[in-house]
Amino acid sequence: DAGITQSPRHKVTETGTPVTLRCHQTENHRYMYWYRQDPGHGLRLIHYSYGVKDTDKGEVSDGYSVSRSKTEDFLLTLESATSSQTSVYFCAIRRPSGERYFGPGTRLTVT
Amino acid sequence: DQQVKQNSPSLSVQEGRISILNCDYTNSMFDYFLWYKKYPAEGPTFLISISSIKDKNEDGRFTVFLNKSAKHLSLHIVPSQPGDSAVYFCAASAPTGNQFYFGTGTSLTVIP
Repeated sequence: DAGITQSPRHKVTETGTPVTLRCHQTENHRYMYWYRQDPGHGLRLIHYSYGVKDTDKGEVSDGYSVSRSKTEDFLLTLESATSSQTSVYFCAIRRPSGERYFGPGTRLTVT
Repeated sequence: DQQVKQNSPSLSVQEGRISILNCDYTNSMFDYFLWYKKYPAEGPTFLISISSIKDKNEDGRFTVFLNKSAKHLSLHIVPSQPGDSAVYFCAASAPTGNQFYFGTGTSLTVIP
């Protein structure tokens, strides 16, 4: 078990407010990822990190920023939330064998 | 543009029978393919993978088949059990880049 926790697990926020989602891992994996899951789209990569302070964009990065100041924590920030960012957000780490191991998810609703 | 496609949103199978889930991809550079299983309110869990140097990989009741010429992979579950009821995602990646591309998922229901 890679020991990934996400917080909060559920959040309702209003359009235009900033939101930060946290991912915490306990096994010092180098690579961490943020995905969103939406009906009809599967899982799409938002941003990923390949080390402390090293991050890069995924396929749906607009409107999102990330930060990684410690190996164990990867933060996803919505600077000004919009209704199109209502989704389920999953954090993941990359295992040595290559597959992604996912956290339990955060359900975000933007009203 | 969806590079990995799962054209069947749902599938129902009787317990004990075979479940076959299909996935197509468009990028010929993909060389690593995976299947994930997802229960409601949980994160996806890794099920089985296959590299492009193989055409079949088995793990217990689960077998993944890869047809590179057709850009098609399938997951066979034999025998299907009610606990297999979940959404199944296929995913693919290329040797360059650091991204997995996921399909839209197939919801499998195994009827007792």
